Amino acid sequence: GEDVEQSLFLSVREGDSSVINCTYTDSSSTYLYWYKQEPGAGLQLLTYIFSNMDMKQDQRLTVLLNKKDKHLSLRIADTQTGDSAIYFCAGSGGYNKLIFGAGTRLAVHP
Amino acid sequence: DTGVSQDPRHKITKRGQNVTFRCDPISEHNRLYWYRQTLGQGPEFLTYFQNEAQLEKSRLLSDRFSAERPKGSFSTLEIQRTEQGDSAMYLCASSSFGGQGIYEQYFGPGTRLTVT
Repeated sequence: GEDVEQSLFLSVREGDSSVINCTYTDSSSTYLYWYKQEPGAGLQLLTYIFSNMDMKQDQRLTVLLNKKDKHLSLRIADTQTGDSAIYFCAGSGGYNKLIFGAGTRLAVHP
Repeated sequence: DTGVSQDPRHKITKRGQNVTFRCDPISEHNRLYWYRQTLGQGPEFLTYFQNEAQLEKSRLLSDRFSAERPKGSFSTLEIQRTEQGDSAMYLCASSSFGGQGIYEQYFGPGTRLTVT
């Protein structure tokens, strides 16, 4: 089955760009997703990319997909303190169930 | 509020007791998912309903776990004879076919279970 791996922690300075990386094993996911989880809050879908795309841009967010290397990344431009959260990448399995990585904790400091 | 709601938000129980959680999905969503999230991990899929039919169950869902969605609206997840290893956040999500061709899942706030 699908296995999704992420680095666990990223620290950036406010105003810099953040890049969160993810690798996955199963190339059959039709869509790949990025979710954000803030303390005490539910999971929020940030963006997604269709598996036949290489890149998707959505305001400050850029998703890059390298299908050959099974590598997905999320770039957040002009990172703000409000972006501090845990970011999960996820693939999709049967019935569109989500298969999540362990999450990357993003800390934004002044 | 028309989002996914879950009840209770927190539950503390003693080992061996039974617990039941409720999820109310977004009203027009026919797909409903349960996930479990333990500390420091991402959510793991437990089970999936399409309308009232339970179409998939993870091997994580031992025979102590049962889920229902009797009228295709709200869903319940029951854990019998709870164990300390059941302590986790239980998340519910609902979805329907979106305009951009994906089934976007909307998550509830979760029920945090602590088994003592």
